[in-house]
Amino acid sequence: NAGVTQTPKFRILKIGQSMTLQCTQDMNHNYMYWYRQDPGMGLKLIYYSVGAGITDKGEVPNGYNVSRSTTEDFPLRLELAAPSQTSVYFCASSYSRVTEAFFGQGTRLTVV
Amino acid sequence: DAKTTQPNSMESNEEEPVHLPCNHSTISGTDYIHWYRQLPSQGPEYVIHGLTSNVNNRMASLAIAEDRKSSTLILHRATLRDAAVYYCILRAPGGGADGLTFGKGTHLIIQP
Repeated sequence: NAGVTQTPKFRILKIGQSMTLQCTQDMNHNYMYWYRQDPGMGLKLIYYSVGAGITDKGEVPNGYNVSRSTTEDFPLRLELAAPSQTSVYFCASSYSRVTEAFFGQGTRLTVV
Repeated sequence: DAKTTQPNSMESNEEEPVHLPCNHSTISGTDYIHWYRQLPSQGPEYVIHGLTSNVNNRMASLAIAEDRKSSTLILHRATLRDAAVYYCILRAPGGGADGLTFGKGTHLIIQP
């Protein structure tokens, strides 16, 4: 099983550029999440979704947008990249709120 | 979700048992206790979770105090591959799908 797949693994963006971080899962999970992790820190929730067509903001949503048109995919959009968005981004999914969450391997983003 | 308290770091020797403590004095009756770990340069990985009774799986054991105000993750025979940051997280079944709240966790160092 592939689990949660994130692409790309690495990316360098210039200030003001845009990009989409892709996330797909093959476990038919309704719950999906995007986190960011700055060096030496814990993960912070950016956005989450409870199913196709339903998304909501997490702790640090500014500068990001998401969409959830299918159960499998949950892309994260950066519209105007800023150096403060340099981080490692993790996508995750789970069957329910209390069952185990599966994480992708992360996307390391540098904004210069 | 209620807050947890963990030591910043712990050190153990290879092939010895490791007991990682977690305090959660404000836990509610329906909160599940989850443990995740994050190996260097990887996404978080589910370890184990429980509600009231002690739990065992192929990776670890979870010992939950009778009053549920603390728990201990037990690695029965640590290997170098167990060196990681371990997160203790409480998760209530109700509420929205807002994600897992990651604190700073315990940095486990394994000495050969």
